[in-house]
Amino acid sequence: EAQVTQNPRYLITVTGKKLTVTCSQNMNHEYMSWYRQDPGLGLRQIYYSMNVEVTDKGDVPEGYKVSRKEKRNFPLILESPSPNQTSLYFCASSLSTGLAYGYTFGSGTRLTVV
Amino acid sequence: SQKIEQNSEALNIQEGKTATLTCNYTNYSPAYLQWYRQDPGRGPVFLLLIRENEKEKRKERLKVTFDTTLKQSLFHITASQPADSATYLCALGLYSNFGNEKLTFGTGTRLTIIP
Repeated sequence: EAQVTQNPRYLITVTGKKLTVTCSQNMNHEYMSWYRQDPGLGLRQIYYSMNVEVTDKGDVPEGYKVSRKEKRNFPLILESPSPNQTSLYFCASSLSTGLAYGYTFGSGTRLTVV
Repeated sequence: SQKIEQNSEALNIQEGKTATLTCNYTNYSPAYLQWYRQDPGRGPVFLLLIRENEKEKRKERLKVTFDTTLKQSLFHITASQPADSATYLCALGLYSNFGNEKLTFGTGTRLTIIP
């Protein structure tokens, strides 16, 4: 089944403890992106990747890192999480950058930082 | 400032009627516009895409229009069913400063179809 898989689904952590949220897609998509979703603010892009070893900042990149060493994987790293990073996170992929292609989203990771 | 507005946070429609959702934008020049459905606790699911040079797109009971003069897209669900109840997101496809494309989302409209 074609899908984007995120892990974990739920995560509670303490301030300052490094964490990684994994994202993997099995569709050979070039484009991958991370979003966070907060009430009243909608989906906001954190980072995106046009292809392997090509990443760039989205609208809210502060406090996050990403890497794209393989086409299928695009992990999101929080080096020193803070409570304002408590949110619902989504990874998405697309065959190419937009135009004729919709995005396929993962099921989400609900992160709580205490 | 740039803004994407979806008509209302919540919309209640009687089963069998047509539900119409609105997406208005200001200070954007989108190359295309996409609509997604999101159920509680789940990721958005892609429904339809319409390009800037297209006026209308249809898929089964769904219809999308795109008016770049009015800066508005309308999303219609005909013969609505309770299973259509969800939050619907519009997203603008934009060219960034570096020539890349970027998808920017509205905050969504929560649609409830009443039996």
